[in-house]
Amino acid sequence: EIVLTQSPGTLSLSPGERATLSCRASESVSRGYLAWYQQKPGQAPRLLIYGTSSRATGIPDRFSGSGSGTDFTLTISRLEPEDFAVYYCQQYGSSFTFGPGTKVDIK
Amino acid sequence: QVHLVQSGAEVKKPGSSVKVSCKASEGTFSNYGISWVRQAPRQGLEWMGGIIPAFGRTNYAQSFQGRVTMTADESTSTVYMELSSLRSEDTAVYFCARVETSAILEVPGQHNYFDPWGQGTLVTVSS
Repeated sequence: EIVLTQSPGTLSLSPGERATLSCRASESVSRGYLAWYQQKPGQAPRLLIYGTSSRATGIPDRFSGSGSGTDFTLTISRLEPEDFAVYYCQQYGSSFTFGPGTKVDIK
Repeated sequence: QVHLVQSGAEVKKPGSSVKVSCKASEGTFSNYGISWVRQAPRQGLEWMGGIIPAFGRTNYAQSFQGRVTMTADESTSTVYMELSSLRSEDTAVYFCARVETSAILEVPGQHNYFDPWGQGTLVTVSS
C-alpha cells in the first residue's frame, strides 16, 4: 500500500498570502495519478486537482498542482477567506490511499 | 451533473450491522461506479471499496473484506453499503462518491478520482 504523508500538519497564514502544501508518497505514484481535495467542517471533500496538475471543473486558477514521482505540491497563490480548510492528497494509481491532511487556518 | 444524497444518521449497538444508502438525485449511475470512504472523528479518509451498479461488480479494501457488502438497485439509482460486526472503532462519517468504472475494475486511469461526493452519513456505534 502506498502511504502518503502531508506537511505541514497545520499552516497558519493570512488572506492574500501564498500557501504551499506538500504530499510525499512512500513509492512512486503511477503516472502522476494524484488528486487534491478540500474539506470544510461538516462538509464532504471537494475535488480540486486530479492527475497532479489538472484543475477540476469550477476550481479557480489560484489553485495549482505540481510534482512527480513521490513528491507533489498544492499551491494556493493568494488565499481567499473561503480557502481556509483541510486539504487532502490522494493517490489513485495503485488502489486508493489518502494523506492525513494539512489544515490551513487563519493567522 | 449527478448529485448524491445519502441516508440519515444511525446509532447502532456493537456487534450489529448498519446499511447506508446513496441515491443519485439527478441522472443515474450509468457508466459510473460508486466508492465508499469513511472518516473517523478528527481522522483522515479511508477507502472502503466500490461497486459498479450496472454489473454489481464490487471491489473491497482488504481491511474490510468479510465485513462489508455493497449492492445496487438500478431501478432507483441507489447504492447500499452494509457493514457488519460493528465495533466502536467503526464510529465515523461514511461518504459515497462517484468514480469511473475503471477504478472499481482496478484499471489505473487519470480520471479515477472521486467526484462528486455525497453529504456523508454519521454512524455511531455505542452500547
